Amino acid sequence: GQQLNQSPQSMFIQEGEDVSMNCTSSSIFNTWLWYKQDPGEGPVLLIALYKAGELTSNGRLTAQFGITRKDSFLNISASIPSDVGIYFCAGTFTGANSKLTFGKGITLSVRP
Amino acid sequence: EAQVTQNPRYLITVTGKKLTVTCSQNMNHEYMSWYRQDPGLGLRQIYYSMNVEVTDKGDVPEGYKVSRKEKRNFPLILESPSPNQTSLYFCASSWGADNQPQHFGDGTRLSIL
Repeated sequence: GQQLNQSPQSMFIQEGEDVSMNCTSSSIFNTWLWYKQDPGEGPVLLIALYKAGELTSNGRLTAQFGITRKDSFLNISASIPSDVGIYFCAGTFTGANSKLTFGKGITLSVRP
Repeated sequence: EAQVTQNPRYLITVTGKKLTVTCSQNMNHEYMSWYRQDPGLGLRQIYYSMNVEVTDKGDVPEGYKVSRKEKRNFPLILESPSPNQTSLYFCASSWGADNQPQHFGDGTRLSIL
């Protein structure tokens, strides 16, 4: 089946640093989504991407839909302590009946 | 406020005792789905529903049942829970088209002893 790869499993950064996360897939997706999960809560949508090459920002977050349709990245600039959490990429493709495929997530820790 | 509501949020129970986790959304979404989240495995889809009376298996359906008698509700049923179903469960909903992002509930943590 479809697989999304996110690595590393954990990232540790200093407050104020920028961080980039990558997500790759074994096949083509036509929608890429980035979610963040805070402890004890459900994933919350950060950014949705619908077109190859699309670059979208949401505050300090920027995400891009890769040209090959097999990858996406998320950048967080000037990190702050509340950026701590698990970041998931997810994708769907034509004919998937809205089925989302999720990466395994990256746990981000921000040192003050 | 638009939301997906799950109940209970926490449940500890014993093997074999039937349980139901309810999920309700107030956004008139057609598509609803259940996931389980386990360490190192991310989110895996259990069942989904494209609309009322239309349900289908996800990636890990064994040991679970669902029903969709009304658009807003999508309960998850464990007829005979076992310890390997101890997990964090999330319900999600969306408008239903392939490119519509899903909105998640806050989760239900189940412990099966």
